[in-house]
Amino acid sequence: DAGITQSPRHKVTETGTPVTLRCHQTENHRYMYWYRQDPGHGLRLIHYSYGVKDTDKGEVSDGYSVSRSKTEDFLLTLESATSSQTSVYFCAIGREGGEKLFFGSGTQLSVL
Amino acid sequence: GQQVMQIPQYQHVQEGEDFTTYCNSSTTLSNIQWYKQRPGGHPVFLIQLVKSGEVKKQKRLTFQFGEAKKNSSLHITATQTTDVGTYFCAVFDSGTYKYIFGTGTRLKVLA
Repeated sequence: DAGITQSPRHKVTETGTPVTLRCHQTENHRYMYWYRQDPGHGLRLIHYSYGVKDTDKGEVSDGYSVSRSKTEDFLLTLESATSSQTSVYFCAIGREGGEKLFFGSGTQLSVL
Repeated sequence: GQQVMQIPQYQHVQEGEDFTTYCNSSTTLSNIQWYKQRPGGHPVFLIQLVKSGEVKKQKRLTFQFGEAKKNSSLHITATQTTDVGTYFCAVFDSGTYKYIFGTGTRLKVLA
């Protein structure tokens, strides 16, 4: 498997608190993506990055922000967590555009 | 933006039966990828198709890309319990660098 690590693996938090999820890669891949997975919705793109400090919004970006200050780290922040953000979050990396993605093991986030 | 519809959402089969999942788009696709996610796991890349009418096989799995490059299918012959999981198609939009995933087909195999 590609060197991609998500942290934390599980988190329980309260509504209104900020939460940051980390995706760390050791593959030097250019592209990094954050998806959320919910029953019946598949994988929905939140934000993505096509280079250091180059990020853009996906289909479900409201309430989320990202930062990528170096190649290996892509951070996803929930500014003020809501119960609707309870989900499994996956990070994925790609070496070049259009090539296969490698996924991290996911973060199970529960917002109470 | 690009969207892909995937059907069916769920499929239960008896072990040994065949299984097919379909991915459809209203626009012409430059490529399509397929991923498998085991229960409790993360999606894992299976294959990529780029050519019109392309057919690729991996043991009991057959992947097809439509002639018009607007649809694709994954067919599993003689399913086994190890085939259990959710199968996703995904398309890459070269204009935005986005990968858009279908909603997935969840396969259950009854022994």
